Amino acid sequence: AQSVTQLDSHVSVSEGTPVLLRCNYSSSYSPSLFWYVQHPNKGLQLLLKYTSAATLVKGINGFEAEFKKSETSFHLTKPSAHMSDAAEYFCVVSGLNDMRFGAGTRLTVKP
Amino acid sequence: DGGITQSPKYLFRKEGQNVTLSCEQNLNHDAMYWYRQDPGQGLRLIYYSQIVNDFQKGDIAEGYSVSREKKESFPLTVTSAQKNPTAFYLCASSKNPPGRSNQPQHFGDGTRLSIL
Repeated sequence: AQSVTQLDSHVSVSEGTPVLLRCNYSSSYSPSLFWYVQHPNKGLQLLLKYTSAATLVKGINGFEAEFKKSETSFHLTKPSAHMSDAAEYFCVVSGLNDMRFGAGTRLTVKP
Repeated sequence: DGGITQSPKYLFRKEGQNVTLSCEQNLNHDAMYWYRQDPGQGLRLIYYSQIVNDFQKGDIAEGYSVSREKKESFPLTVTSAQKNPTAFYLCASSKNPPGRSNQPQHFGDGTRLSIL
């Protein structure tokens, strides 16, 4: 069985400051991990994915995530937040015909 | 451009009525999925299909039905048996089913269903 926990339901940052969205996972396998972003009334857009290659994964819009097996974590970061980053973010674990979504983290960016 | 098209964007259902949500993809993907999204919750899987004429129940299939007669199309019917249908419904597709590859899912822009 697999599961994923997003540790914060809401994160608020000021424009230009770093972003950290936390994700822990549980899996009996060697999973693939993904981060998606969702803007209001839209579908999910893939930000980045980890598939057992490099542990530091770079995605679109300046986001990156680091896979830490010892901590079972896959936190999403960005050095400097933009107003356009305000959205809902989902961490996803996939493996052996099963894909599980976290409950989401709402990112607010203050001017 | 390739993608997933969901229609309609907004849909209203009367009591006792069945409604069908459309999902079409031109990505040549084998697998398709339907998810339900409620505020403050992640996505919950309703049904998925790995190949034409085959589909499997997800975690919350009760009150829903699907068909997969064509590779490109995976419509979802919300039946009158679904007592709490108000939600945002998302359709997705992937080249291969989860776990068999590392392919991510591609999503449509969703249909918001409300009760009249």
